[in-house]
Amino acid sequence: GNSVTQMEGPVTLSEEAFLTINCTYTATGYPSLFWYVQYPGEGLQLLLKATKADDKGSNKGFEATYRKETTSFHLEKGSVQVSDSAVYFCALKRSGNTGKLIFGQGTTLQVKP
Amino acid sequence: GAGVSQSPRYKVAKRGQDVALRCDPISGHVSLFWYQQALGQGPEFLTYFQNEAQLDKSGLPSDRFFAERPEGSVSTLKIQRTQQEDSAVYLCASTLTGGPETQYFGPGTRLLVL
Repeated sequence: GNSVTQMEGPVTLSEEAFLTINCTYTATGYPSLFWYVQYPGEGLQLLLKATKADDKGSNKGFEATYRKETTSFHLEKGSVQVSDSAVYFCALKRSGNTGKLIFGQGTTLQVKP
Repeated sequence: GAGVSQSPRYKVAKRGQDVALRCDPISGHVSLFWYQQALGQGPEFLTYFQNEAQLDKSGLPSDRFFAERPEGSVSTLKIQRTQQEDSAVYLCASTLTGGPETQYFGPGTRLLVL
């Protein structure tokens, strides 16, 4: 079946540290891949996406590269800020699908000053 | 409105009660999705509408769950005879058409069944 696996959290970092949140997926065909973020008290927001292999999605200093050979879509940021503290969800949408997203379990990031 | 809205934001129900959760998608958005998010978990797909047609309801956990979108805009998710395991945040999302484009999520309705 189709699934997404994220690294367990919480991840606690100091401000300006380098961030990696691992995400791997299982899917048939060529899915689109997404990272969503949920800030405290707010709804899910799209952070970035990639729709084909080797694409790199980027936004707000975050990046993720669609790696078909390793079925991965790891999220990275070179220097995190306290305001990046949130829950991050990796998700996929199968090609030719109605559009429903399959999410990972989420990774909580806490950034300390 | 500017985004997807959901009401109520919080709902407390006694076990066995029926509840109705409302979603107002972004104006003009054709596709609408419902997800269920249990505490500490990622959202899980419940059902999908394209205009008024419910094209996928494979994620509805039981026949106690029912969704409708009669005029292709506002949608209602109804849960009959609520159980404690129904306690979760129910999220609604909409997209302009439904391809690999961005799904815009509402703030969710937090349901607590006692």
